[in-house]
Amino acid sequence: SQTIHQWPATLVQPVGSPLSLECTVEGTSNPNLYWYRQAAGRGLQLLFYSVGIGQISSEVPQNLSASRPQDRQFILSSKKLLLSDSGFYLCAWSVGGLRVYGYTFGSGTRLTVV
Amino acid sequence: AQTVTQSQPEMSVQEAETVTLSCTYDTSENNYYLFWYKQPPSRQMILVIRQEAYKQQNATENRFSVNFQKAAKSFSLKISDSQLGDTAMYFCAFMKIGTNAGKSTFGDGTTLTVKP
Repeated sequence: SQTIHQWPATLVQPVGSPLSLECTVEGTSNPNLYWYRQAAGRGLQLLFYSVGIGQISSEVPQNLSASRPQDRQFILSSKKLLLSDSGFYLCAWSVGGLRVYGYTFGSGTRLTVV
Repeated sequence: AQTVTQSQPEMSVQEAETVTLSCTYDTSENNYYLFWYKQPPSRQMILVIRQEAYKQQNATENRFSVNFQKAAKSFSLKISDSQLGDTAMYFCAFMKIGTNAGKSTFGDGTTLTVKP
């Protein structure tokens, strides 16, 4: 069966510090991978998505970046965090191609920038 | 660009009763999928139900069913025999079929509280 792991679960970082959130998927190959951010009590905003190794598309210009060094690994990074980067970050995967089954989400990372 | 609107920020229902959550969307696409996701207090997002736009039959999953009105661009979720475990935030989402890598647009969510 497919599983998705996301860590850390909680993170408190000072302004200006770097960030690295990691997400890995097991039990499938060539998944589509996504990073979403959820503001408190709000919907999900797509940040990045990837259809393959090294292929990253950005939806929102900001000081965050994403990388996909391996087929089932997706990393969200920042060189210098801003207060506005606080939020709940969700990684998700879906089957690649035209088959559509919806997303499977990781358990999320609550990031607080202080 | 697609938009998804959930006009009910909060709703409540008594245990064992039925509740309907509303969702409308705007798109010029003809082929797409619609989803309802559930986010309980644990914040783990879970897929509840999906609907293919080219299918007229409404999707059902146990106590969850949808009322899909393509012409009206409406996609409501009905929860029957509500249970305490249904307390959660519910998100409606739209996904276009094709070369957009499965990107989804989400509504702002409806917080549902099931009361004992």
